[in-house]
Amino acid sequence: EPEVTQTPSHQVTQMGQEVILRCVPISNHLYFYWYRQILGQKVEFLVSFYNNEISEKSEIFDDQFSVERPDGSNFTLKIRSTKLEDSAMYFCASRETSGRTETQYFGPGTRLLVL
Amino acid sequence: AQTVTQSQPEMSVQEAETVTLSCTYDTSESDYYLFWYKQPPSRQMILVIRQEAYKQQNATENRFSVNFQKAAKSFSLKISDSQLGDAAMYFCAYSGVASRLTFGEGTQLTVNP
Repeated sequence: EPEVTQTPSHQVTQMGQEVILRCVPISNHLYFYWYRQILGQKVEFLVSFYNNEISEKSEIFDDQFSVERPDGSNFTLKIRSTKLEDSAMYFCASRETSGRTETQYFGPGTRLLVL
Repeated sequence: AQTVTQSQPEMSVQEAETVTLSCTYDTSESDYYLFWYKQPPSRQMILVIRQEAYKQQNATENRFSVNFQKAAKSFSLKISDSQLGDAAMYFCAYSGVASRLTFGEGTQLTVNP
């Protein structure tokens, strides 16, 4: 069964460093999402992406964040200058069609720790 | 803005018994979707069940079923014949006109042997 994959599974970085989190959505999916979950808290929406542009972003998704689909398969989240509070689990999700009936399927997540 | 509330931070159930997890939400939209996701210790987010608001019939998936009360804005999850593998954090989520998912705080379910 097709699944969303994410790399790396864990990343440790120093405050102020740039990190790139990678996702490979399910191949026929058209909508892509990033969410984050700070330890012990609920899952929060960051950004959605369709047709090579951001379709919606939350207030969390400030200028330090960017997303890109550099090729036909990868979807990346870049944090330019990491802060301690960026430590969280980051989930990528994808959805098949423009209809909202389609479910978002999540990847296994990348655990980011900023020291 | 839409909100999702799960008022039970923790629940426990005996193996083979039935448990119900509660979820309420607030929205002014008439067309939306509701989901329950399961998050085991691996922290993977796994879809359990989904409900379309325009459908009156409650969704079921094997041992999992929902009680969707649209007027009351309530969406509870019932797990029948609970198994040890059901132990996880369960999140209720909402998706409306904007396709983003809005999650509740989660309910940690423990299954006792």
